[in-house]
Amino acid sequence: GESVGLHLPTLSVQEGDNSIINCAYSNSASDYFIWYKQESGKGPQFIIDIRSNMDKRQGQRVTVLLNKTVKHLSLQIAATQPGDSAVYFCAESPSSNTGKLIFGQGTTLQVKP
Amino acid sequence: DAGVTQSPTHLIKTRGQHVTLRCSPISGHKSVSWYQQVLGQGPQFIFQYYEKEERGRGNFPDRFSARQFPNYSSELNVNALLLGDSALYLCASSQSGTREETQYFGPGTRLLVL
Repeated sequence: GESVGLHLPTLSVQEGDNSIINCAYSNSASDYFIWYKQESGKGPQFIIDIRSNMDKRQGQRVTVLLNKTVKHLSLQIAATQPGDSAVYFCAESPSSNTGKLIFGQGTTLQVKP
Repeated sequence: DAGVTQSPTHLIKTRGQHVTLRCSPISGHKSVSWYQQVLGQGPQFIFQYYEKEERGRGNFPDRFSARQFPNYSSELNVNALLLGDSALYLCASSQSGTREETQYFGPGTRLLVL
């Protein structure tokens, strides 16, 4: 079946360091992935997406890497700030005509001052 | 512009009762999706509606139903509530609901079933 999973439930980093959050998926046919950030008391917020015809995509302070061979993607956050503290979810959009998203369990990023 | 809004923000019900949750999408968005997020887990897809028609349904029992109105707002109904229905219910909207469109989430309705 479809599943998306994260490697670590919690990641603690020092302010200013780079953060790397990992995610694995099981469906080799998956071809579109999204990272969301969820702060306490809020709904998930879109960060960045990547299609399977790409290996890397960059945004503002964030980079997503996709390794289709091992079915793994990662979110890299440069110069992590206290405002980056949140739960991060990877999600996949199955090959269908719907906007259905399948979310992983999430990694909590804690930024130490 | 206002984002996705949901009401109520919090709700307490008892087992066996019925609940209706409401969602107003971003202006101009015609697609609404509903997700259930149990504490400590990622959101799980319940329904997607586009132009008042159901476009997708997740693996939830028939106690869960939804509808979309001509103004594109949506209601999620849950009958015969169980303790396990306690969760954060999220609504997301997008312009046309296609798979590579960004979905914008509301703050959610937190439902507690006692």
